[in-house]
Amino acid sequence: EPEVTQTPSHQVTQMGQEVILRCVPISNHLYFYWYRQILGQKVEFLVSFYNNEISEKSEIFDDQFSVERPDGSNFTLKIRSTKLEDSAMYFCASSAFGQESEKLFFGSGTQLSVL
Amino acid sequence: GNSVTQMEGPVTLSEEAFLTINCTYTATGYPSLFWYVQYPGEGLQLLLKATKADDKGSNKGFEATYRKETTSFHLEKGSVQVSDSAVYFCALRGIQGAQKLVFGQGTRLTINP
Repeated sequence: EPEVTQTPSHQVTQMGQEVILRCVPISNHLYFYWYRQILGQKVEFLVSFYNNEISEKSEIFDDQFSVERPDGSNFTLKIRSTKLEDSAMYFCASSAFGQESEKLFFGSGTQLSVL
Repeated sequence: GNSVTQMEGPVTLSEEAFLTINCTYTATGYPSLFWYVQYPGEGLQLLLKATKADDKGSNKGFEATYRKETTSFHLEKGSVQVSDSAVYFCALRGIQGAQKLVFGQGTRLTINP
């Protein structure tokens, strides 16, 4: 079965540094998402992306966050200046068009640790 | 706003035991409801879904019924296996807005042989 691939699986960074989390969605999917889960808390929606633009974002997704689909295959999440509270597992997901859009396919996540 | 509440984990059962993981939601209208499962080292996978009241979603022996009157979508399985050990997430998608899912906190299930 096709799958969503995320790299790296673990990322350790210093507070204030920029990080880029990378994702390769399923090739014929049109909707792309980032979610995160802080340890012990709920999986939280960050942003959805369709037709090369953000379609929806949460309050968490402030000016420090940005997303990009630079080359038609990768989908990246950039955190400009990381904070301690950005430490979490970040999940990328994608879905197809129409009725199949309800079925999200998730990557296995990137564990981000901000020191 | 929309929200999902799952029973606290972790849950530990013996093989062949009956499983229930409770999930209740708060939403306007008739959201679509989902259970996702995350096996160790993998991403979340859709387990089952229901899109309207009284619908029953089922897959791999798991079932959940969309109960509008109790705003619930409890996950059940009659006889669990060791291979069912995973984290289970209840989620909803509202009737308004784009495609985002609202998740519960997840329930870790461990099945002992």
